Amino acid sequence: AQSVTQPDIHITVSEGASLELRCNYSYGATPYLFWYVQSPGQGLQLLLKYFSGDTLVQGIKGFEAEFKRSQSSFNLRKPSVHWSDAAEYFCAAGGGNKLTFGTGTQLKVEL
Amino acid sequence: DGGITQSPKYLFRKEGQNVTLSCEQNLNHDAMYWYRQDPGQGLRLIYYSQIVNDFQKGDIAEGYSVSREKKESFPLTVTSAQKNPTAFYLCASSIGDSNTIYFGEGSWLTVV
Repeated sequence: AQSVTQPDIHITVSEGASLELRCNYSYGATPYLFWYVQSPGQGLQLLLKYFSGDTLVQGIKGFEAEFKRSQSSFNLRKPSVHWSDAAEYFCAAGGGNKLTFGTGTQLKVEL
Repeated sequence: DGGITQSPKYLFRKEGQNVTLSCEQNLNHDAMYWYRQDPGQGLRLIYYSQIVNDFQKGDIAEGYSVSREKKESFPLTVTSAQKNPTAFYLCASSIGDSNTIYFGEGSWLTVV
């Protein structure tokens, strides 16, 4: 069965520090991969997606993610975190009705 | 602006009552979805529809019902058979059934 694992439930970083959120997937073949962000009480906003091609994907708000087939990973990164980045981040794999979500990583930003 | 509109944002229901959550999209997307979100459990698929007048059960369809009479609309009814309905409900859509999914702003349902 497909699964997506986000091993970090909570992460705290200082404003201006770099960020890396981990995501590992288990899938029969290389799936489509996504990162979404959710502010409290809001819907999910798409940050970036990987379908094929260049393994380093650029997204909105200065985020990027790198697909590593050998590690079945799709980690999200940002060089310098802003206080407004505090939110919950979800990794997802698959597509359409076969989209599987991780349980999310809550990001706290210290000023 | 194009997007997915969910209403109401907050809804309170007494036990034993059915309630319907509205979802409308003007993105001209073919596929629509309903997810349930509970703390620490990520998102779980309730129902999805790939075309008008057709819909399929997701992973947790028991106690829920949907209809798809128009391409733009995909209402979700939470019935009295749903044993633990208090949750955050998210409607979503995509161009096709295997493409990127876009989400609405969600609806909070609380059973009182």
